[in-house]
Amino acid sequence: DVKVTQSSRYLVKRTGEKVFLECVQDMDHENMFWYRQDPGLGLRLIYFSYDVKMKEKGDIPEGYSVSREKKERFSLILESASTNQTSMYLCASSSLGGGPTYGQFFGPGTRLTVL
Amino acid sequence: AQSVTQPDIHITVSEGASLELRCNYSYGATPYLFWYVQSPGQGLQLLLKYFSGDTLVQGIKGFEAEFKRSQSSFNLRKPSVHWSDAAEYFCAVGASDTDKLIFGTGTRLQVFP
Repeated sequence: DVKVTQSSRYLVKRTGEKVFLECVQDMDHENMFWYRQDPGLGLRLIYFSYDVKMKEKGDIPEGYSVSREKKERFSLILESASTNQTSMYLCASSSLGGGPTYGQFFGPGTRLTVL
Repeated sequence: AQSVTQPDIHITVSEGASLELRCNYSYGATPYLFWYVQSPGQGLQLLLKYFSGDTLVQGIKGFEAEFKRSQSSFNLRKPSVHWSDAAEYFCAVGASDTDKLIFGTGTRLQVFP
């Protein structure tokens, strides 16, 4: 079974802090994704990586950056957390070219609260 | 541009009743279509997918969905709902030239005993 793990289920941070959300997958997938989930808005893509050190902006990249130094790990960074970044963050992975056919595999999510 | 619409934000059914969740998509070519389920506090789990062939697809947990090209729809159905089906359901569309998916805004299902 594909396993996507996220470093924290719940996280509470203060405004202005630098926040790291970590995601690890064990299926040797090339693609990794970070989404933000908010009520009534569904899932919105923040960043997408299709290879180590390669990244592509999604629909809402402002205020976020990412890092992919190893194939299995994809980090989301909030350089200076703000209250409007309080949300559920979901990581996903898929094989290169496999997304349309097999879909994406998701981690359990990190619920981030910024005070 | 691709898009997905889930017109029902919230649906309530009684346990044992049938269920249909609606999904409409916008895409020029043949889309790849998915239904995911998210239980409270959890990530998304793939229920079923369509990318070619038989337009009626079977998934896990007794769910099925039918692709109707003429209506640009991919509705999810279950003949008899169980209390454990209470969750949020997301429809998603993909294209052959990208690994990205576009998700709908979700439908929250509530099941009464």
